[in-house]
Amino acid sequence: SQELEQSPQSLIVQEGKNLTINCTSSKTLYGLYWYKQKYGEGLIFLMMLQKGGEEKSHEKITAKLDEKKQQSSLHITASQPSHAGIYLCGADGGYQKVTFGTGTKLQVIP
Amino acid sequence: SQTIHQWPATLVQPVGSPLSLECTVEGTSNPNLYWYRQAAGRGLQLLFYSVGIGQISSEVPQNLSASRPQDRQFILSSKKLLLSDSGFYLCAWSNRGHYGYTFGSGTRLTVV
Repeated sequence: SQELEQSPQSLIVQEGKNLTINCTSSKTLYGLYWYKQKYGEGLIFLMMLQKGGEEKSHEKITAKLDEKKQQSSLHITASQPSHAGIYLCGADGGYQKVTFGTGTKLQVIP
Repeated sequence: SQTIHQWPATLVQPVGSPLSLECTVEGTSNPNLYWYRQAAGRGLQLLFYSVGIGQISSEVPQNLSASRPQDRQFILSSKKLLLSDSGFYLCAWSNRGHYGYTFGSGTRLTVV
């Protein structure tokens, strides 16, 4: 089965700083999703990457899928308190079943 | 537009009691439906998914069951809850041919 490892597990940054979260897969990624979760709430879809080398942006969040399609990174520019939460990467495992990583907890200090 | 409703938001149940969590989707037809559990300090674990009425696939052996009595209704059940069933349960749907899930707001279950 496919496993996704996220790093770091948690992150505390000062407001305005940039940060990167990584997601590494044990197998080739055919669809990679990024979600954000506020504590105790559902997940919000951020973006999906499919092609090796693909890069997408949403506001100040940019995600890339590497050429070999086994790693993705999520980059936040000029972080704000509203970016705080848990970021999860997910891999399409067929039948649109998504396997999720363990998540990265982000805190942004004003 | 499509919406997904999940209830209740929180639930405290004694060990050995039954469970029924309900999830309904509006604004779409024939969705794929999913139940995930998020235990403290752990990632999201897929419990069940369904591609149609009465079609349920279980991902992990456990004390829970799922049913899909109607196209847009997905129910998670247990006859007798265990302490280990505590967690945050999330329902999600996706459209075939379109990628990505839309999640419900979740149910926090505490078994005492």
